[in-house]
Amino acid sequence: DTEVTQTPKHLVMGMTNKKSLKCEQHMGHRAMYWYKQKAKKPPELMFVYSYEKLSINESVPSRFSPECPNSSLLNLHLHALQPEDSALYLCASSQTGPSGANVLTFGAGSRLTVL
Amino acid sequence: SQQGEEDPQALSIQEGENATMNCSYKTSINNLQWYRQNSGRGLVHLILIRSNEREKHSGRLRVTLDTSKKSSSLLITASRAADTASYFCATLTGGGNKLTFGTGTQLKVEL
Repeated sequence: DTEVTQTPKHLVMGMTNKKSLKCEQHMGHRAMYWYKQKAKKPPELMFVYSYEKLSINESVPSRFSPECPNSSLLNLHLHALQPEDSALYLCASSQTGPSGANVLTFGAGSRLTVL
Repeated sequence: SQQGEEDPQALSIQEGENATMNCSYKTSINNLQWYRQNSGRGLVHLILIRSNEREKHSGRLRVTLDTSKKSSSLLITASRAADTASYFCATLTGGGNKLTFGTGTQLKVEL
């Protein structure tokens, strides 16, 4: 299995809703990532988990809450979002090890619209 | 924060022509990678070049790296309509898992 699966593909939510984005991989990768991408812009790193521990938080607002329940799953919990948070949210995974690698395998993304 | 700037921002060529994209970055790197993204979808890894390498080939792709100029280029030879996509360079910095993407080049290959 060489895929990263993201659900849902599309999500529309109001500013008072609570929702979650889910990501799953079965490649044995021990690093998992959340990126946010606005239209015609590059992906921006949000969070990195390494061996199920949060290793990088790029000063993301607390209305985004990541969770890594086990080595195969990564969640992004969303609460009280703003319309400007509408974007494509990309999950990725990679092997860990010597810092010369870190090739990321991406999921297809979850397109979030906040009304 | 953005590490890489790419140029051109957009490139339109005819099928069969070569496409060259350039990437400049700001800080020391461990490696530099190129990714491709079809419209609104996930990114796909194309090729990786380490900081001690100068050139690398993979099929129709050729990547060069000049660490003294902090720049890289991606050449796609004999382009096809299916190569139409956005192409991003990405740099791995520090000892962790931080991969930062450049601004991207939108390539359109016309029949």
